[in-house]
Amino acid sequence: GDSVTQMEGPVTLSEEAFLTINCTYTATGYPSLFWYVQYPGEGLQLLLKATKADDKGSNKGFEATYRKETTSFHLEKGSVQVSDSAVYFCALSGVGTGRRALTFGSGTRLQVQP
Amino acid sequence: DTAVSQTPKYLVTQMGNDKSIKCEQNLGHDTMYWYKQDSKKFLKIMFSYNNKELIINETVPNRFSPKSPDKAHLNLHINSLELGDSAVYFCASSQNGQGWGTDTQYFGPGTRLTVL
Repeated sequence: GDSVTQMEGPVTLSEEAFLTINCTYTATGYPSLFWYVQYPGEGLQLLLKATKADDKGSNKGFEATYRKETTSFHLEKGSVQVSDSAVYFCALSGVGTGRRALTFGSGTRLQVQP
Repeated sequence: DTAVSQTPKYLVTQMGNDKSIKCEQNLGHDTMYWYKQDSKKFLKIMFSYNNKELIINETVPNRFSPKSPDKAHLNLHINSLELGDSAVYFCASSQNGQGWGTDTQYFGPGTRLTVL
């Protein structure tokens, strides 16, 4: 079945550091890929998405490129802020009848220190 | 105006009780979902409805029963609550037009269920 693997957290960075959170997936066909963010005490918000190979999703300074050859969708940001502290989830949406639900990775907690 | 809302936000109850969580979306979406987030933050799909029809029913104890009175509402009823049911339950919705799986899912704020 479909699966998503994310790097273990927590990730602790200083403000303005470069961020990478690794994400790889296993799926049949051509899934869509998503990054969601969960701020403390809140629900999940879509951060960015990519629906086909080589697409780059971007939002709020975050970027991720859909790499089919390496089955990866790594999240990057050039300069993190304290306000980016949250849990980040990589997810995929499968193709095929009925498989519209998201399969999530285990989440990576990011803590940014001033 | 909240897109996906859930009630209650917090639910504390005793083992063996029956409880319900309600979800409403005002986005005009066709598909709604229930996800469970455990204490380690892992999220897993439980159910999905499309236009009031059940389309995904993962391996969930039959004590959990979803009900969709119309496509804007998806409620979750849980019978005979157990300690292991303690989790955060998220409702979500998506448009699901012709692009299979490409549509963004919008999540509610979650319901934190604590079973004592």
